[in-house]
Parts: sequence; C-alpha cells; structure tokens
Amino acid sequence: NAGVTQTPKFQVLKTGQSMTLQCAQDMNHEYMSWYRQDPGMGLRLIHYSVGAGITDQGEVPNGYNVSRSTTEDFPLRLLSAAPSQTSVYFCASSPDRVAKETQYFGPGTRLLVL
Amino acid sequence: DAKTTQPPSMDCAEGRAANLPCNHSTISGNEYVYWYRQIHSQGPQYIIHGLKNNETNEMASLIITEDRKSSTLILPHATLRDTAVYYCIVRVVRGRRALTFGSGTRLQVQP
Repeated sequence: NAGVTQTPKFQVLKTGQSMTLQCAQDMNHEYMSWYRQDPGMGLRLIHYSVGAGITDQGEVPNGYNVSRSTTEDFPLRLLSAAPSQTSVYFCASSPDRVAKETQYFGPGTRLLVL
Repeated sequence: DAKTTQPPSMDCAEGRAANLPCNHSTISGNEYVYWYRQIHSQGPQYIIHGLKNNETNEMASLIITEDRKSSTLILPHATLRDTAVYYCIVRVVRGRRALTFGSGTRLQVQP
C-alpha cells in the first residue's frame, strides 16, 4: 500500500489563481480530511468527508472547495488563491468513518501564494 | 474535548528512554488519550492511544495515572529519528469534531 499520497509536493501561485491539491489513499478508508498548518502552529481542519458523495466543513473552510466522487480520492480546490492561504496542507484518512481519531496523514503540499 | 498541557521542549540522550508527560486534569470518563508525533516537514503520525489501562505497541508505551489526570508517553530506546514534536490529544471516540493539535512537546534526541 502506498498509504496517503498528495500531489504536488510544492506549488507557487499568484494571487487570484485557482488550483487543485490532490489526495488519494489506497487503504479503502471511508473518512478523509484536509488540514492546513501554518508556521509554528497546530493543524486546523478545512473540510472532511465520511464517505463518497458526503462532505462537510471543518474549522476553516472559506476559500476552499472539496468533492468526494470516489472512496480513494479527495481533492481540495482553492478557488482564488490569497497570500493568507500560504501554508502546508495535509490530507488524512481513517479506516472508521465514526471513530476517526486514528488517522493516517499524507506527506503534505507546501503552498506559497504571492 | 479536555485541554492538555505539555512541556514545550525536552532533550533525551540517544539509546535512553524518553518520557514525555501530558497533563489532562479535566478529562472526563469517556475521553481517550491519543499521542501523535510530527517529524520535521512530514505529516503527523499516530503513535498510540488509551482510556485507562496502560498500553504498549511496537512504537511506544502509554502510562495513564489511576485518576487519569495525567499520562506519560515512553519511547523505550530513543533514536535520532525520534526527534519530533509530540502531541497529546484528549477526546471522545466517535466525536464529531476533528482532532485538535496543540503546540506539543518538541523532543530533541541528542547523539
């Protein structure tokens, strides 16, 4: 198993550009989520999904969209990038849609918005 | 979720046991203690969790006091690769909200 994979590893955007951060897992996990981590800070939840076709907002959803058409993939879309979205983005998955405390994290995508 | 308190940093000699404390004095009866770590520039990694009994797995041991107000994560033989930020998280299993990562303890394993 590759686990949780994220692409790209690094990205530089200009203000106003849009892009999609990709996340995939091959463990057949129902629960997937996106976090952002700003320098020196803990992780904050952006969006999550408890299964294909079901998504919900987390703590900091503004400026981001998600969809979950398959169990494996959970892309995060930045609609119009802003410098405040400069951060490291982590995708995570859990084998249990309810008891989601045991999560497996991807390696992260480092995003710089100029 | 109960609040946790961890020391901001600790040092440990390579090959020795690393004992990382966590205070969670407001923990309630249905809340578990979870430990994650984050090695520099990587995603967090689940380590272990427990309710009231001591737990051990291939990575670490978790000792929870009888009153459950504090716990200790033990890395029995620390290596340089264990240098990371360690997060203690207390929450209800099957809670609706996501994991909340605080500032954690930065463990530096010295050669």
